[in-house]
Amino acid sequence: DAKTTQPNSMESNEEEPVHLPCNHSTISGTDYIHWYRQLPSQGPEYVIHGLTSNVNNRMASLAIAEDRKSSTLILHRATLRDAAVYYCILRPSNDYKLSFGAGTTVTVRA
Amino acid sequence: KAGVTQTPRYLIKTRGQQVTLSCSPISGHRSVSWYQQTPGQGLQFLFEYFSETQRNKGNFPGRFSGRQFSNSRSEMNVSTLELGDSALYLCASSLVPGPDTQYFGPGTRLTVL
Repeated sequence: DAKTTQPNSMESNEEEPVHLPCNHSTISGTDYIHWYRQLPSQGPEYVIHGLTSNVNNRMASLAIAEDRKSSTLILHRATLRDAAVYYCILRPSNDYKLSFGAGTTVTVRA
Repeated sequence: KAGVTQTPRYLIKTRGQQVTLSCSPISGHRSVSWYQQTPGQGLQFLFEYFSETQRNKGNFPGRFSGRQFSNSRSEMNVSTLELGDSALYLCASSLVPGPDTQYFGPGTRLTVL
């Protein structure tokens, strides 16, 4: 499985943007970049995914570097409910499973 | 639309016993995957079912098994429980197999004493 590297933890203040980096230097052309998050005592929750172009949805934005070797998940205005572990996952287009790493633990200060 | 539901939410068993966990996917979703989450190993893929057939299996011993019914509901079974089987067991559903987005349930917390 292609590997991703994320910081262990990040802190943010409420209502400020959060930029979560993810490095994936060994990404292949068919790997999609997926982001999931897991709130305490819950199952993982889909956030966003993309292949080459930047993506936006109601939860977040995904900025993908031109060479695709890194990406950034952007939470535009953090709330206390955004405190969670965020996972960056590379998923080949023909893969059936999600391969989770350790993720980034995001803490949001009121 | 209701999300993925898992029952029971919490379970306590003793070594040597067996356990069955249940998962109801999102309506219309036909693919169900199971994952195990432990503090030491993180989230690991167990198996995937589609059309009542196991299509893929992760690196787990034969004590871990599962099945899927015609209504897409799935069960997983762990026989001869060991202390190391204590974990959060997560079920995820998707419309079809493959890279389609997976939606997770809240999990079943299994404690083996």
